[in-house]
Amino acid sequence: GAVVSQHPSRVICKSGTSVKIECRSLDFQATTMFWYRQFPKKSLMLMATSNEGSKATYEQGVEKDKFLINHASLTLSTLTVTSAHPEDSSFYICSARLVLDSSGNTIYFGEGSWLTVV
Amino acid sequence: AQKITQTQPGMFVQEKEAVTLDCTYDTSDQSYGLFWYKQPSSGEMIFLIYQGSYDEQNATEGRYSLNFQKARKSANLVISASQLGDSAMYFCAMREGRYSSASKIIFGSGTRLSIRP
Repeated sequence: GAVVSQHPSRVICKSGTSVKIECRSLDFQATTMFWYRQFPKKSLMLMATSNEGSKATYEQGVEKDKFLINHASLTLSTLTVTSAHPEDSSFYICSARLVLDSSGNTIYFGEGSWLTVV
Repeated sequence: AQKITQTQPGMFVQEKEAVTLDCTYDTSDQSYGLFWYKQPSSGEMIFLIYQGSYDEQNATEGRYSLNFQKARKSANLVISASQLGDSAMYFCAMREGRYSSASKIIFGSGTRLSIRP
């Protein structure tokens, strides 16, 4: 079964509204989670690194005020798309790094969330 | 500059044949990690195989093997005896530098593999 759960898997929202996507690590702690955005038939573009208890680190070109990331606990990170517009429609996927893995290579991905802004 | 290059946007392979998916990377770090992921049409990312830059042997995981040529900065994925269920997008990815909790993983553009029956 999935070790990282994303919710909702699909969401449709009206333009101008905000939508929250949750990323939960199941049965393990993740001090670091990553948020990616993927356009159809394109690669995953890293948006930000979410750190538990501190501010997220955003990649260049990603609007911090538009894509709010909160990592309030060791098992939950949320991405809020504020004042959504149709161009924000995309597939958003999170990943979580296992804390206890010193190699840094144990990374689990969520199932992804399809966002459609109408 | 693009860090991960996958030059094959799409490939068609006959079932049961072996297939090689190309990946080249660019980094000035001595320590790094290379990953391959499979993404079916449902969207989830499935980890296939990992190769560390200091690993002397090529990584293998079942039908998957990674042909790591450090001097050429290539990390090709080889799938032996392909199956219909192997049809998916395949992404090569890299973690630059020594591991830290914030080490980022960046992805190539992907290769869409289609297996013909």
